[in-house]
Amino acid sequence: EPEVTQTPSHQVTQMGQEVILRCVPISNHLYFYWYRQILGQKVEFLVSFYNNEISEKSEIFDDQFSVERPDGSNFTLKIRSTKLEDSAMYFCASSVVETGDQPQHFGDGTRLSIL
Amino acid sequence: AQSVSQHNHHVILSEAASLELGCNYSYGGTVNLFWYVQYPGQHLQLLLKYFSGDPLVKGIKGFEAEFIKSKFSFNLRKPSVQWSDTAEYFCAVNEDSWGKLQFGAGTQVVVTP
Repeated sequence: EPEVTQTPSHQVTQMGQEVILRCVPISNHLYFYWYRQILGQKVEFLVSFYNNEISEKSEIFDDQFSVERPDGSNFTLKIRSTKLEDSAMYFCASSVVETGDQPQHFGDGTRLSIL
Repeated sequence: AQSVSQHNHHVILSEAASLELGCNYSYGGTVNLFWYVQYPGQHLQLLLKYFSGDPLVKGIKGFEAEFIKSKFSFNLRKPSVQWSDTAEYFCAVNEDSWGKLQFGAGTQVVVTP
């Protein structure tokens, strides 16, 4: 079964540094998502992306965050100047379409640790 | 705003016991409902989903869930659990025409041999 892949599995970064988390969605999927889970808290929606544009973003997704699909396969999340509170597990997901009846497929996640 | 509540944060039970995990959501419109499972060290996997039709849905690995609209609930059940069902279970909801998922806090299930 095709999978969403995320790299790296664990990223350790100094506070204030930029970090890029990478995702390769399933090849025929058109909608892409980032979620995060701070330790001990709920999985939270960050952003959805379609047709090279953000289609929805949460209030968490402020100016420090950006997403990009630099080529036909990768989908990246960039945090410009990391803060301690950005430490979390970040999950990428993709779906064929955006309507709710198509489930999202998730990657294994990237654990981001900010020092 | 939507919210999703999972009643139990941690459940411990023996093999062959029955499992029921509660999930309630607060949204009055049309919703789609999901249960995801995360086995240790693995990614979130879809167990089952409800969009419309029969409110009793069957998923993989012997799981089922019942949508009760009047109670805004979507409880997950399995009649007889196995040790391999040890995992974290997440209820999730989205509005009919929007992709973003709203997750519950998750329930850690530990099945002892």
